[in-house]
Amino acid sequence: ELKVEQNPLFLSMQEGKNYTIYCNYSTTSDRLYWYRQDPGKSLESLFVLLSNGAVKQEGRLMASLDTKARLSTLHITAAVHDLSATYFCAVDVGDYGGATNKLIFGTGTLLAVQP
Amino acid sequence: NAGVTQTPKFRVLKTGQSMTLLCAQDMNHEYMYWYRQDPGMGLRLIHYSVGEGTTAKGEVPDGYNVSRLKKQNFLLGLESAAPSQTSVYFCASSYSRDRSTDTQYFGPGTRLTVL
Repeated sequence: ELKVEQNPLFLSMQEGKNYTIYCNYSTTSDRLYWYRQDPGKSLESLFVLLSNGAVKQEGRLMASLDTKARLSTLHITAAVHDLSATYFCAVDVGDYGGATNKLIFGTGTLLAVQP
Repeated sequence: NAGVTQTPKFRVLKTGQSMTLLCAQDMNHEYMYWYRQDPGMGLRLIHYSVGEGTTAKGEVPDGYNVSRLKKQNFLLGLESAAPSQTSVYFCASSYSRDRSTDTQYFGPGTRLTVL
């Protein structure tokens, strides 16, 4: 059974601190996505990671992908309150020859940044 | 450019009633998806479509039907609603011609309660 596991499920951190969210998955895939969801809102795309060793950064967030370890990380640097949200990773299990991206989502990590 | 829109935003049904959720996108995307989001379970793919006139099953298709008669619209139907279908439903779309940048764009969601 395909599993996409995130940890921690809940993260309370102080402003200015650093932390990492982990996303482990159980199937072969070379594409992984990170999304952000604010309470009661839709999902917003953060990163698309396409291959082993891929690293992308936007502001205080940096995502990486290790396809051999089937692991992606989302690193938060010097957290601010505005980063409080739920973060989801999603693994692409679509057919590689075609163009379908079928996503399996992790359960999400609720991040609360305290002032 | 409205992106992905969903109708209705909220709905309460009684067990056994039927309803249709409408998703519309104005980005000329080929692919469209329906997900449900339940507490603690992330998003799960119900059905998806890779083009006008095509549909396919996702992770949790039972109890739902879909149709894609026009490229811009993707309908999700519940023929006989059950309390287990109480959830938040998200529609998404993607283009997938250039997989290096492709991601799914999500609608605002429909909150459905089945009594």
